[in-house]
Amino acid sequence: GESVGLHLPTLSVQEGDNSIINCAYSNSASDYFIWYKQESGKGPQFIIDIRSNMDKRQGQRVTVLLNKTVKHLSLQIAATQPGDSAVYFCAENAPSNTGKLIFGQGTTLQVKP
Amino acid sequence: GAVVSQHPSRVICKSGTSVKIECRSLDFQATTMFWYRQFPKKSLMLMATSNEGSKATYEQGVEKDKFLINHASLTLSTLTVTSAHPEDSSFYICSAREIRSGRAYNEQFFGPGTRLTVL
Repeated sequence: GESVGLHLPTLSVQEGDNSIINCAYSNSASDYFIWYKQESGKGPQFIIDIRSNMDKRQGQRVTVLLNKTVKHLSLQIAATQPGDSAVYFCAENAPSNTGKLIFGQGTTLQVKP
Repeated sequence: GAVVSQHPSRVICKSGTSVKIECRSLDFQATTMFWYRQFPKKSLMLMATSNEGSKATYEQGVEKDKFLINHASLTLSTLTVTSAHPEDSSFYICSAREIRSGRAYNEQFFGPGTRLTVL
């Protein structure tokens, strides 16, 4: 079935280092992907998105890479800060065009001072 | 802009009672809202799609008589957990999707979530 999964449940990095969070998706028909950040007890917060006609998109301190060949998505955070500590989810739109999003399992990012 | 609120943020109720959770889009009109459920250290699980002026569409395995959804206006959707039981305790999150040209493609804006605890 359709699924979006993350390779690592927890990622621990040193403050100031770059972080890379990975995601694998299974549906090659998905054409829109989003990364969300969720802090404890709060709703998901939009970070960055990318359409399938792009390979890379950059935001402020964040970059999303999309490799459609291997159905892989990654989020790169530059100069990771303690405030980046959270759970990160990738999501893909359901190909049925209903607006539904399919969420991955999530990666916990822990930033060590 | 694009703010979604939920009320209440936290609710504790007794088993057998019903609880209503509101989801509001504060500065835009949302023809579609989504309701998710999230267990501790788990991902978001879509429960249903709420469409303004029509019946909600439920995901497989979600009881529509248990989780009543009403999308009465373009800025408000409500989720009512009927005859709540301890296993209904969870974090409920809504999102709203604005259908209008100029907005980001298919972007959903999420509410802050409602923590439901059923005793």
